[in-house]
Amino acid sequence: QSALTQPASVSGSPGQSITISCTGTSSDVGGYSYVSWYQQHPGKAPKLMIYDVSNRPSGVSNRFSGSKSGNTASLTISGLQAEDDADYYCSSYTTSSTVVFGGGTKLTVV
Amino acid sequence: QVQLQESGPGLVKPSQTLSLTCTVSDGSINSGGYYWSWIRQHPGKGLEWIGHIYNSGSTYYNPSLKSRVTISADTSKNQFSLKLSSVTAADTAVYYCARVSVDWLLFDYWGQGTLVTVSS
Repeated sequence: QSALTQPASVSGSPGQSITISCTGTSSDVGGYSYVSWYQQHPGKAPKLMIYDVSNRPSGVSNRFSGSKSGNTASLTISGLQAEDDADYYCSSYTTSSTVVFGGGTKLTVV
Repeated sequence: QVQLQESGPGLVKPSQTLSLTCTVSDGSINSGGYYWSWIRQHPGKGLEWIGHIYNSGSTYYNPSLKSRVTISADTSKNQFSLKLSSVTAADTAVYYCARVSVDWLLFDYWGQGTLVTVSS
């Protein structure tokens, strides 16, 4: 199975908004609502930020939001803060009953 | 709060079998509702799902690794394990165990990760 496609890097200034895309196929992102997003700081385990395309777990800031259109899911972070500087990964369930991750996007808050 | 902790050798020789165990605390791996999963991350690279086990029996594997992977569970010890055979340097990575919600296919609890290096 091929990794979902994410931009390698995005950047933004504090207070701005950015969007990270995650493109798959009709066999994964396009076929299910089981799309999640994870934040990973260096040397740390990933942290769940969004699940089921657009739901936030308890404790995650409402500055994080998710959406999906066709085979592409998106993560938007508004009001960028220095602590948002991290790597972000999407994941999706697939028709093969497996899970696939995106290649990851490095967000730099400049 | 569920806690997961990986354990196992940090160095494995090429062609040998990598074996890791994940010990789960404050949550039963036999309680249903969750997959118990292994994920790895090559140095400086992205996450790769290896596979998971459900209800100590049903297993699901990444097709690219399926021929070399076995995930099993020991409910008496509340642990699940990963075996990856015929390893090469390309299997050098940080290996994570995690809990996955069956309802939402989300990875909600992760271990801290353990670096496994394949080298002679």
